[in-house]
Amino acid sequence: GQNIDQPTEMTATEGAIVQINCTYQTSGFNGLFWYQQHAGEAPTFLSYNVLDGLEEKGRFSSFLSRSKGYSYLLLKELQMKDSASYLCAVRDWGNTPLVFGKGTRLSVIA
Amino acid sequence: KAGVTQTPRYLIKTRGQQVTLSCSPISGHRSVSWYQQTPGQGLQFLFEYFSETQRNKGNFPGRFSGRQFSNSRSEMNVSTLELGDSALYLCASKAASGLSYEQYFGPGTRLTVT
Repeated sequence: GQNIDQPTEMTATEGAIVQINCTYQTSGFNGLFWYQQHAGEAPTFLSYNVLDGLEEKGRFSSFLSRSKGYSYLLLKELQMKDSASYLCAVRDWGNTPLVFGKGTRLSVIA
Repeated sequence: KAGVTQTPRYLIKTRGQQVTLSCSPISGHRSVSWYQQTPGQGLQFLFEYFSETQRNKGNFPGRFSGRQFSNSRSEMNVSTLELGDSALYLCASKAASGLSYEQYFGPGTRLTVT
């Protein structure tokens, strides 16, 4: 079966750094994705990892460890606009559909 | 380039009715996927279409069906609506049905079943 776990909610302070973890158990692995979804809006693509290591893109970075079935999304210099849900999704093999976690709702406070 | 569009944006139906939702992908995109999003279950995959053919199907009952037209526009239909079908229905398009990883989501259709 497939199982993706991420914390339900997190709160962080403006200007700080926050790490959102995602663990997964799938029969295979062919990529891990992070999406951002503001309330009432469509999810937007943030990052993609298929090899172990850190991918950096501006204030956002994503890390993957395939042996541990683990990823995290790191958000630096938090801004109020970063308040959103962050969705972790895994493709287990080939071109199968993405399996999404239930999302982590991040609240950035002043 | 225009984004993914979905119509209608909001819909209220009663139990037992049927509903059809529409999705127009980004121009040039041939793959369209449909998802159901609820607070309890998160985003769940319904089906994917590519060049008018269903390529993948999620674990939903046969009341959920879809199709894709030659211009890549897609529709999904839900028959005999149940209260539990209340959800945000999202479609996403991408350029191909290969491992191209970036899919673009539409704003969704909020379906309420009473």
